[in-house]
Amino acid sequence: ETGVTQTPRHLVMGMTNKKSLKCEQHLGHNAMYWYKQSAKKPLELMFVYNFKEQTENNSVPSRFSPECPNSSHLFLHLHTLQPEDSALYLCASSQPSGVTEAFFGQGTRLTVV
Amino acid sequence: AQKVTQAQTEISVVEKEDVTLDCVYETRDTTYYLFWYKQPPSGELVFLIRRNSFDEQNEISGRYSWNFQKSTSSFNFTITASQVVDSAVYFCALLPSGGSYIPTFGRGTSLIVHP
Repeated sequence: ETGVTQTPRHLVMGMTNKKSLKCEQHLGHNAMYWYKQSAKKPLELMFVYNFKEQTENNSVPSRFSPECPNSSHLFLHLHTLQPEDSALYLCASSQPSGVTEAFFGQGTRLTVV
Repeated sequence: AQKVTQAQTEISVVEKEDVTLDCVYETRDTTYYLFWYKQPPSGELVFLIRRNSFDEQNEISGRYSWNFQKSTSSFNFTITASQVVDSAVYFCALLPSGGSYIPTFGRGTSLIVHP
């Protein structure tokens, strides 16, 4: 248990569906991240929030929409996804000073059909 | 620009063998941090170690040891007497100090330990 909880753990959705991934941490961290991990590809940073403000959007398509209502929660809203969006989506948190390690959740395994 | 190279895509060993996972990095920063993470089949990346760029002491933690060599920009990870439970993907990461708090990850090395 790393202190970062992601739900759901598994999600299968059609290309016309709308769904949301949730991430929650109670470690007192103020930076939160979404990463995408596809098979045979490097870990891809998607979004970064620092003190609830989005500070990084790594050229992510608009069909992915993040939301950070407070420092403990991070969402990733999904709509009209493509099969190639199937991947493991990992949430992480850390102290915003940047000198500490990130703590990761177990990820949401997303399959788009 | 930061870069982390883990040249070994997959390593396969038999239990009790020693194994070294390589990590080579590139950065223009004089102060930075290096990390190793383990990703078991369950999915989450588990933090193993953080090393500051100004501390080149090697570190040992049980069966794990890390060899940091600034001269060759390497931060290698050795598992002694490997066990099946060590099977996982291992990631090396680089974080410059000051300003950015976004780490650069290597592509990971998949370690398979056979019984």
